[in-house]
Amino acid sequence: DAGVIQSPRHEVTEMGQEVTLRCKPISGHDYLFWYRQTMMRGLELLIYFNNNVPIDDSGMPEDRFSAKMPNASFSTLKIQPSEPRDSAVYFCASSPILQGKEHFGDGTRLSIL
Amino acid sequence: KQEVTQIPAALSVPEGENLVLNCSFTDSAIYNLQWFRQDPGKGLTSLLLIQSSQREQTSGRLNASLDKSSGRSTLYIAASQPGDSATYLCAVDNAGNMLTFGGGTRLMVKP
Repeated sequence: DAGVIQSPRHEVTEMGQEVTLRCKPISGHDYLFWYRQTMMRGLELLIYFNNNVPIDDSGMPEDRFSAKMPNASFSTLKIQPSEPRDSAVYFCASSPILQGKEHFGDGTRLSIL
Repeated sequence: KQEVTQIPAALSVPEGENLVLNCSFTDSAIYNLQWFRQDPGKGLTSLLLIQSSQREQTSGRLNASLDKSSGRSTLYIAASQPGDSATYLCAVDNAGNMLTFGGGTRLMVKP
């Protein structure tokens, strides 16, 4: 299997622009997670899905952030409008079962100027 | 709210040494604890997962222990190699797939 695939790997944009991050989970994994990693706050869970349904979005920092999973093989994390403090590495992960090992993508390094 | 702390934040050792990384957590009501490895510019790779009912897990040169009552876990790496250089993170699951991560230990193994 190709593992969890994220795109783009790097994104640089100006504040106020819309940013869309994409994730393809491992086939057959029912759980999908979005994380954010910064030097100051470490790794934080933003939201997770089970069978394409958002289960807990309590980690989403603001209404500017939204996530969707239209089907089992694709998810997006959108920031609109973006701000410099959103600069971070965003990871997507998937897992086949609840409380199982999570498989991470290589992340999207986002820089908002 | 669960808090996870890892000590030390950074560690440098010569090749061949055995070493211990520490992880502590404040809320002992956990489902499981995982140890991850993160290489620069990469995602996380799960190394070991210890269920709350277990005391330890082993994989090759890695051994992770869990003392839930005291809120502690250790990752033991035997006969360290330069290829072990990475950041190691522990994460606890309190509510079913809601992982709380520690800040990580950055390990460098010198040849």
